[in-house]
Amino acid sequence: GAVVSQHPSWVICKSGTSVKIECRSLDFQATTMFWYRQFPKQSLMLMATSNEGSKATYEQGVEKDKFLINHASLTLSTLTVTSAHPEDSSFYICMLGGETQYFGPGTRLLVL
Amino acid sequence: AQSVSQHNHHVILSEAASLELGCNYSYGGTVNLFWYVQYPGQHLQLLLKYFSGDPLVKGIKGFEAEFIKSKFSFNLRKPSVQWSDTAEYFCAVSNSGGYQKVTFGTGTKLQVIP
Repeated sequence: GAVVSQHPSWVICKSGTSVKIECRSLDFQATTMFWYRQFPKQSLMLMATSNEGSKATYEQGVEKDKFLINHASLTLSTLTVTSAHPEDSSFYICMLGGETQYFGPGTRLLVL
Repeated sequence: AQSVSQHNHHVILSEAASLELGCNYSYGGTVNLFWYVQYPGQHLQLLLKYFSGDPLVKGIKGFEAEFIKSKFSFNLRKPSVQWSDTAEYFCAVSNSGGYQKVTFGTGTKLQVIP
């Protein structure tokens, strides 16, 4: 199956700073990647669909200006949390694939 | 829009007991169905999936699930649970076809007592 990596695996930042999370497909070209967020003891919630070479599609309630997504190549999608606040502290997971999903290992963000 | 509901939020069982976790989805079209498990501190692992064919699907670690189209259900079962099955279980659905988003249920936390 496809191997998906995320970087960083965890990050701690001060409130107001921006954090970039990378999702890489190591052996699979993905025109579409998905970004999820999982708060403690909750389920995964889809944030947005990242489309290679075009704008991302955001789920209702997700601020596109706060969560910037760039899918510049078939193997890389980035999620930038701009002006992060403590309520953005969460576990961010990317997913790629078609009928078989491949999840990244996740990035744990803690905003102080 | 798709939605997935899991009826049990927290289930506590003794070892060797039988398990059934409920999952219902709402969507009018053809769907793919999944069960994922998340062990404490780890990321999601696929237990099993249904795309088409035999509605009784067997997965890893002795789990199985049955797709009942008329009930929009995809319940997860295991005849005899073990302490190591303690984890959170997520039912999920996607439209059939490639590159579809996956919608997750709220999860069921299973605690198995030795």
